[in-house]
Amino acid sequence: GAGVSQTPSNKVTEKGKYVELRCDPISGHTALYWYRQSLGQGPEFLIYFQGTGAADDSGLPNDRFFAVRPEGSVSTLKIQRTERGDSAVYLCASRKGRIGINEQFFGPGTRLTVL
Amino acid sequence: SQQGEEDPQALSIQEGENATMNCSYKTSINNLQWYRQNSGRGLVHLILIRSNEREKHSGRLRVTLDTSKKSSSLLITASRAADTASYFCATDPALGAGSYQLTFGKGTKLSVIP
Repeated sequence: GAGVSQTPSNKVTEKGKYVELRCDPISGHTALYWYRQSLGQGPEFLIYFQGTGAADDSGLPNDRFFAVRPEGSVSTLKIQRTERGDSAVYLCASRKGRIGINEQFFGPGTRLTVL
Repeated sequence: SQQGEEDPQALSIQEGENATMNCSYKTSINNLQWYRQNSGRGLVHLILIRSNEREKHSGRLRVTLDTSKKSSSLLITASRAADTASYFCATDPALGAGSYQLTFGKGTKLSVIP
C-alpha cells in the first residue's frame, strides 16, 4: 500500500520495560512527525524529522523518549523505563516537502498499554 | 498543548440531518484542517482550508474559516450512520513558524442514529 504504516498495531508491556514503535512513511515524504493521543484527547506533537535529523523534538515529554530516522525513511520511537502514563495511541504522519502547505498523512497508530 | 477547541464535545443527530461542529484557535495559521477518526485509531484527512480562503466544499462537507475570529466550522450535510466518528480540527502554523506540526483540538464526537 501507499499509505503510512505503523508496527506493531498494539503493544502491551510492563512498567519499566523498553519499547520500540516503528513508522514507515509514504515513499518520498521527507517530513515525518510523531504524535501521541491520550484517551479523549486530540493528538499532541512529539517530534519532527526533516530527512534524517530531528528538526524539532520540543514535544518529547522527557528524556525517556527518543526517536531516530537514520536513513531518512523509516523512523523508530523508543521509550525507556515505560510508565503507566505512557499508555496512549502513538501516531506517525508524513508530509511531502518542507513547508507547511501540504496535508499530513497519518498511519493507523500503535496502541501502547503499560501495565 | 492543544490549540483548537471544538464544540460541541459530543453531538447526536438522526440520519439525514445536518451536523455542524465548530473550532476555535489561538495563534496565526497557514491553514486549518479537519480530520475524522474512527475508534480512536488512524486519522483520515477530510479537508484543508488555507488562511486566505473563507469557505470550501468537498462532497457533503462544507468548511468555513474566519481568521478575524480565529474560528472554523465543519458542516456535514445529509448525515449517514457511517459518519459516526470523532472529528478534529488541526491548525498548521503560519509560514516561518518552524516544524509546521499540527496542533489539534480535543475533538467532537458525532453519533448519527439510523
